[in-house]
Amino acid sequence: DVVLTQSPLSLPVNLGQPASISCRSSQSLLSSDGDTYLTWIQQRPGQSPRRLIYKVSNRESGVPDRFSGSGSGTDFTLKISSVEADDIGLYYCAQGSHWPPFTFGQGTNLEI
Amino acid sequence: EVQLVESGGGLVQPGGSLRLSCAASGFLVSSYWMHWVRQVPGKGLFWVSEIHGDGRNTHYADSVKGRFIISKDNAKNTLYLQMNSLTVEDTAIYYCVRDNAGVDDWGQGTLVTVSS
Repeated sequence: DVVLTQSPLSLPVNLGQPASISCRSSQSLLSSDGDTYLTWIQQRPGQSPRRLIYKVSNRESGVPDRFSGSGSGTDFTLKISSVEADDIGLYYCAQGSHWPPFTFGQGTNLEI
Repeated sequence: EVQLVESGGGLVQPGGSLRLSCAASGFLVSSYWMHWVRQVPGKGLFWVSEIHGDGRNTHYADSVKGRFIISKDNAKNTLYLQMNSLTVEDTAIYYCVRDNAGVDDWGQGTLVTVSS
């Protein structure tokens, strides 16, 4: 199974400052179809998860452009250019390149 | 607008069974892989099972294989998870998720509590 390792697991931030979360995979996430199915998910307190980014760097409709995803192979990053109060919560990376099973990172708690 | 509405959760004794449902709207479950993902409150996300749009191809996490059965009714546009031989380790919020280039739309979840 593909293991996704996120760091840091806890990320204290100041509003207006940038934030960055790393997701490292135990094997390359380049799929046999040529795509890389690395997803970033946000879970605000008390809410269901919500997809922010798919295929490494594609923002979901309605996701602010302060969120960006990058990376390739085994190393991926989610960046928030300027943290807002609405961004507080848990962030997970997930992979669907080598399945089953789909796997998730442990989660990163973005907190003030 | 895509909507996924789970139901069927509740309190069940160890060894018991539950059937979860996920009513989909805004798209056809026959056209997508669909997943069940669970989350122990306060913990991370764990993939449980998936089913192809045609309903013939299914996969399960090792921890639920032989106990859980995923299925769907295309006429009702609904996904199901039959959970048997439940243990306390199955206690979690269960989410129904559409796959669209990876895990995409999520339902609000339904809480399953296994306790005596």
